Amino acid sequence: SSELTQDPAVSVALGQTVRITCQGDSFRTYYASWYQQKSGRAPVLLIYGKNKRPSGIPDRFSGSSSGQTASLIITGAQAEDEADYYCSSRDSSSNRWVFGGGTKLTVL
Amino acid sequence: EVQLVESGGALVQPGGSLRLSCAASGLTFSSYSMNWVRQAPGRGLEWVSYISSSGGAIYYADSLKGRFTISRDNAKNSLYLQMNSLSAEDTAVYYCASGGNSGRDYAFDFWGPGTMVTVSS
Repeated sequence: SSELTQDPAVSVALGQTVRITCQGDSFRTYYASWYQQKSGRAPVLLIYGKNKRPSGIPDRFSGSSSGQTASLIITGAQAEDEADYYCSSRDSSSNRWVFGGGTKLTVL
Repeated sequence: EVQLVESGGALVQPGGSLRLSCAASGLTFSSYSMNWVRQAPGRGLEWVSYISSSGGAIYYADSLKGRFTISRDNAKNSLYLQMNSLSAEDTAVYYCASGGNSGRDYAFDFWGPGTMVTVSS
């Protein structure tokens, strides 16, 4: 089955742009989806498909993909963006879904 | 407003069983694929199981080794997870999440707040 690899931790200065990456073979077949999880809360879908945002998600969140790497970009990071971020995808070789290990974002 | 509310989490002894429920409102439940996703304390998210809108397609994570059974009752707008032969490794918050179908590019769009399952003697 596929695995998705994320950097464990990333930091960004307030108001700056940050890219959170996720690597996996499944992205050659399926899009990544991205989730934000704040401490003690359920995950929230941020990005899915080809850079689609659900209603209510700020447009400072965007997604991109190239080959085996999917990225979540936060343009103008805010203090409230400090959270854990997870990528996910359907497994390209089976009827399974996989999550990355998560990236803890610190806003300085 | 879409609401998914899990229930049934508890402290259970190793080898025991538990049935989780997820009550859905604010969406046409019978049109949505549903999933269970879990998160062990201090760990990342792990997909557990998927069931299609009609219940005709069901998938499980390999790590479950046939111990869990997902089901749904569209007349009651409810999703279930029967968990047997529980071990400490099953200790986690269990979330129900809608989606996983091609219409949403296989993403999980709505999540419940989760229910805690603790397996310990």
